[in-house]
Amino acid sequence: DAKTTQPTSMDCAEGRAANLPCNHSTISGNEYVYWYRQIHSQGPQYIIHGLKNNETNEMASLIITEDRKSSTLILPHATLRDTAVYYCIVRPSYGQNFVFGPGTRLSVLP
Amino acid sequence: DAGVIQSPRHEVTEMGQEVTLRCKPISGHDYLFWYRQTMMRGLELLIYFNNNVPIDDSGMPEDRFSAKMPNASFSTLKIQPSEPRDSAVYFCASSLGSTAATNEKLFFGSGTQLSVL
Repeated sequence: DAKTTQPTSMDCAEGRAANLPCNHSTISGNEYVYWYRQIHSQGPQYIIHGLKNNETNEMASLIITEDRKSSTLILPHATLRDTAVYYCIVRPSYGQNFVFGPGTRLSVLP
Repeated sequence: DAGVIQSPRHEVTEMGQEVTLRCKPISGHDYLFWYRQTMMRGLELLIYFNNNVPIDDSGMPEDRFSAKMPNASFSTLKIQPSEPRDSAVYFCASSLGSTAATNEKLFFGSGTQLSVL
């Protein structure tokens, strides 16, 4: 399985963009990058996913480098409600499972 | 749809007692997953079902744990006998199709906080 590396924690000022990096240097060509987040006391919530093109939805943008070895999740205007643990997951092509690492704890500060 | 529904929200029990956690997946979803979350080990997959059939239970910690899915709208995770080290948050999740497919997403319930004293 491709492994991911994320910073343990990050801070972001309210109203500013939050840029959360993820390193997945062993990713295979057919593996997707997924992002989930978990707000305290809730189940993880899907944010976005992509293969090699940049993706954007109502929640966030996903920027994947050309070599696919890393990606960045961008929350364009972070709010206090975005405080959560953010998980970057590379899904195994042969597996049925999402493997969650420790993630990045994002704190949005007023 | 109300999403994935889990019950109870909180469960406190004594060591040695039987515990049953319940899950109702999103209607039409044919994959169901049970995860456990602890501070030490994070989110771990215990077992998953496809069309009510258990596919992979390699994450089930030991024989004290069992899971069933008698129909498409209901699943249980049972611990018998329970031990203090089973204390964790247990999440149920469902997905529309195979998570090996390129665009599948998991939808999680709110979890059951289990405390075994």
